[in-house]
Amino acid sequence: EIVLTQSPATLSLSPGERATLSCRASQSVNSYLGWYQQKPGQAPRLLIYDASNRATGIPARFSGSGSGTDFTLTISSLEPEDFAVYHCQQRSNSYTFGQGTKLEIK
Amino acid sequence: EVQLVESGGGLVKPGGSLRLSCVASGFTFIHYTMNWVRQAPGKGLEWVSSISGSSAYIYYADSVKGRFTISRDNAKNSLYLQMNTLRAEDTAVYFCARDRVRAAADWFDPWGQGTLVTVSS
Repeated sequence: EIVLTQSPATLSLSPGERATLSCRASQSVNSYLGWYQQKPGQAPRLLIYDASNRATGIPARFSGSGSGTDFTLTISSLEPEDFAVYHCQQRSNSYTFGQGTKLEIK
Repeated sequence: EVQLVESGGGLVKPGGSLRLSCVASGFTFIHYTMNWVRQAPGKGLEWVSSISGSSAYIYYADSVKGRFTISRDNAKNSLYLQMNTLRAEDTAVYFCARDRVRAAADWFDPWGQGTLVTVSS
């Protein structure tokens, strides 16, 4: 099973700041890495697929990068609605998710 | 608008059974692989099972293999998850999710709002 490790577990930032979230895979997943946003009591929403492609309707402030085992989700300038939990997922070999990064208001 | 609405969750005793349903609307259901993903309270997401449009391809996580059965009724635009021999560790919100694009294994988009399954005596 491919294990995804997200860091940090919690990230405290202020609106307007830049957020950088990391996801590391236990073995290469090529570019088969996606990111989801989940707000309390809501379903996850796909943000980024295939490492760097924004899903439909996702603002340009969200970007993804990386390949192989190391991936990054960047939010260029945080809006109040961006504070949530972010999950990474791989689909290179079955499907697994990271444990999530909580992005909270500082 | 694409909509996925789950139902069937509830409280069940260990060893018991439950059947979840997910009704889809806003797209041609048979064209898409459908999935179940769960989230234990306060925990991360865990993929449970996937079924292709024609039901020809079915996959399960090792944690549920032999106990859960995924199925679909394309005439009713419905996805199901029959859960047997339930354990405390199956307690979670169960989400149904569609593949992002048709006719290929892909990312999960969109998702339903989920239904809570609690396994407890």
